[in-house]
Formats: sequence, structure tokens, C-alpha cells
Amino acid sequence: GQQVKQSSPSLTVQEGGILILNCDYENDMFDYFAWYKKYPDNSPTLLISVRSNVDKREDGRFTVFLNKSGKHFSLHITASQPEDTAVYLCAAYQGTGSKLSFGKGAKLTVSP
Amino acid sequence: EAAVTQSPRNKVTVTGGNVTLSCRQTNSHNYMYWYRQDTGHGLRLIHYSYGAGNLQIGDVPDGYKATRTTQEDFFLLLELASPSQTSLYFCASSDRCSQNTLYFGAGTRLSVL
Repeated sequence: GQQVKQSSPSLTVQEGGILILNCDYENDMFDYFAWYKKYPDNSPTLLISVRSNVDKREDGRFTVFLNKSGKHFSLHITASQPEDTAVYLCAAYQGTGSKLSFGKGAKLTVSP
Repeated sequence: EAAVTQSPRNKVTVTGGNVTLSCRQTNSHNYMYWYRQDTGHGLRLIHYSYGAGNLQIGDVPDGYKATRTTQEDFFLLLELASPSQTSLYFCASSDRCSQNTLYFGAGTRLSVL
């Protein structure tokens, strides 16, 4: 079954707004959590990631929050811009293997 | 940044056809992966490899074979293609130190008629 689950497959936010994308996981051995961004007709690229020894990582307008007890992590995007319009894929990884498990993706549209 | 090149970029075949998708990475990465992307399913791992000659089964391996001939080259084989294998296929690689950061190729769009 799906080890990493994304809710809200499609979201729209106005330019300048704040957006939260959520992801839940089942495997409590996961120790690395990431968000990838994918534009149409392009390949996914890593946006931001965090290891399980911290509960937050910030990179400019993007912040990952990790809630290990709740098996949940989220991506917060502030000051949304039209170029943020893309599909966002959450992913998780267990250190003893080499398989990155992806969620189904969430399509974000930032409207002017 | 890793360079991952997939070929062909687009392929059309018929049911029962034989298809080989190629992937080459030029950054000396140990790990290589084949994913398929479908609407409503996100990225699903088909096969992956730790290095030349190694093959690991992913989450959706049925109907696919793979072969890692060199550190650079990873092939995905569909020996009897079916319409359910119509999809966008991505190859990716990562290195031993940062296994969790994947560098993806541009994708191969396969249509099985």
C-alpha cells in the first residue's frame, strides 16, 4: 500500500498567500523527509528536505515541519508566487534501504 | 548537479511489443531508479540498482525487467508491452553519500496502443 499519503490533490491560492501542503506516512522507521517540485513536462527536483533529528527546516519562503509522533510532515509556502504553480510531491526514506517513497502529488495553482 | 539522460523521449508501440528504455547518468552515482508517473498515483518505483550488475525490485515490478550494465547505464525492458504500461517513465540517480536526493532525467513518454 501507499506508505506516504498526500491529502488535497489540488489546491489554489492567491498570489501573496500562505499555503500548507500535508503528508502522512505509515513507516515509523522513516528518517528523512522531502518535498519535490515538478513543473508540467519537466522532471521532479528536490525543493527542501529534513532529517528526523529536527522538527523544522526553513529555506526562504519554504518551511518543512515534521511531527514524528503524528507521522506527519508539511510544507509551508509563504508569499506565494505564480512560479510556485506546480505539482508538489512529498517523499520519505528509511536510512537502511535506498527506496524513496513518494506521495501521489498535489497540484498547486497560484492565481494572480 | 547530476546529469541524467533518458532515451527515447517519446515512444509508441503496440500491445505485445518489445520496448527498451535507456538511462545514462554521468556523475558517477551508485544508485539508479526507474519510476513511472500516472495521474492519481504519483511516482511509483519499478526497479532500482545499487551498482553495475545489481538489481532490486521496486513496488510495481510486474511486467518490467531491468538491467544495470555499467555504473552509468540502467535499462528498463518491457518484453510484452500492455496498454496499462502507457505512462511517463522517469529515471533517477543518487550517490552513496546522499542517497535520498534523487536527480531525475527528463522522462520518457510511452504509449502502448
